[in-house]
Amino acid sequence: DQQVKQNSPSLSVQEGRISILNCDYTNSMFDYFLWYKKYPAEGPTFLISISSIKDKNEDGRFTVFLNKSAKHLSLHIVPSQPGDSAVYFCAATGDSGGSNYKLTFGKGTLLTVNP
Amino acid sequence: SQTIHQWPATLVQPVGSPLSLECTVEGTSNPNLYWYRQAAGRGLQLLFYSVGIGQISSEVPQNLSASRPQDRQFILSSKKLLLSDSGFYLCAGSSAKNIQYFGAGTRLSVL
Repeated sequence: DQQVKQNSPSLSVQEGRISILNCDYTNSMFDYFLWYKKYPAEGPTFLISISSIKDKNEDGRFTVFLNKSAKHLSLHIVPSQPGDSAVYFCAATGDSGGSNYKLTFGKGTLLTVNP
Repeated sequence: SQTIHQWPATLVQPVGSPLSLECTVEGTSNPNLYWYRQAAGRGLQLLFYSVGIGQISSEVPQNLSASRPQDRQFILSSKKLLLSDSGFYLCAGSSAKNIQYFGAGTRLSVL
């Protein structure tokens, strides 16, 4: 059962426009969400995160929005740049009462920003 | 912030051979450590995690094992590799609760 879903395997946008990457989750125990960016043959790089007590978090060109009632989050990149072309993973974690802080990842969305 | 060192970057091994991938962490103490595998076209699958020395939890039944002999060292092993063990292996560490930082990964090809 896939608890974190990224339904769009790929997205193509023009340089300078907005990129919107979507993520849905099913586990209502998730209370912290993260986005990672990954280039081929490299490890994922942490981008931005959001706690379930917020509905928006912004860091430069990156903004993450969380809609808890819809169990949906999105990553907005404005303006998009060719260097943003990568696979973006959505991840979530919840209060399991333990200390392992395991992340559940989506399958990723390949973003291509065209010059 | 912490740095995750992982090696080798690529590895080609014959079926039935042993495996040892090492991961070390700099810049933090007592981190949680994780091994993931990314199969082609798929997401990141958590294989093992460790909350302390000698403490290993396995997420999926498999041909691999993990060990944590020191606080900042995490090792992924196999006694006999299978073709299905091929993939991209990632080590990650976490000391600031939910944010995990990843190493550069090891591309393992079992032939």
